[in-house]
Amino acid sequence: EPEVTQTPSHQVTQMGQEVILRCVPISNHLYFYWYRQILGQKVEFLVSFYNNEISEKSEIFDDQFSVERPDGSNFTLKIRSTKLEDSAMYFCASSEESGAEQYFGPGTRLTVT
Amino acid sequence: AQTVTQSQPEMSVQEAETVTLSCTYDTSESDYYLFWYKQPPSRQMILVIRQEAYKQQNATENRFSVNFQKAAKSFSLKISDSQLGDAAMYFCASSPEMDSNYQLIWGAGTKLIIKP
Repeated sequence: EPEVTQTPSHQVTQMGQEVILRCVPISNHLYFYWYRQILGQKVEFLVSFYNNEISEKSEIFDDQFSVERPDGSNFTLKIRSTKLEDSAMYFCASSEESGAEQYFGPGTRLTVT
Repeated sequence: AQTVTQSQPEMSVQEAETVTLSCTYDTSESDYYLFWYKQPPSRQMILVIRQEAYKQQNATENRFSVNFQKAAKSFSLKISDSQLGDAAMYFCASSPEMDSNYQLIWGAGTKLIIKP
């Protein structure tokens, strides 16, 4: 069964450093999402991506964040200058069409020290 | 703003019994989707069940079923014949149609404990 994959599973970085979280969505899916979940808190929407551009972003997704689909398979989230409060689980998701169920990757645990 | 509320931070049930997890939501959208996701200790987010708001029939997936009350904006999840593997955090989420962007809006989650 096709699945969304994410790498790395755990990333530790120092405050101020740049990180890139990688995702490979399910191959025939067209809609891509990033969410984050700070430990013990609810899941928060960051950004959605369709047709090679951002379709929606939340207030959390400020200028420190960017997304890219550099080739036909990868979907990346870049945080330019990490802050302690960026420590969270970051989930990538994809869906075949708008409104369809979103399939989630296993997440990347980001720890900023 | 759209909101999803799960009023039960934690629920416990005896193995093989039935448990119902509550969820209410608030939306002004006419078309939307509702989901239940399961998050086991591995923290992977797994889709349990999906409901389209325009469908009156409640969705079912094996031991999992929902009670969708559109007028009351209620979307509860019933788990029958609970199994030890059902122990997890359960999140209710809505996907309102806003300019065709179906971002998920999440509840705070309910921790389900299965007693052997």
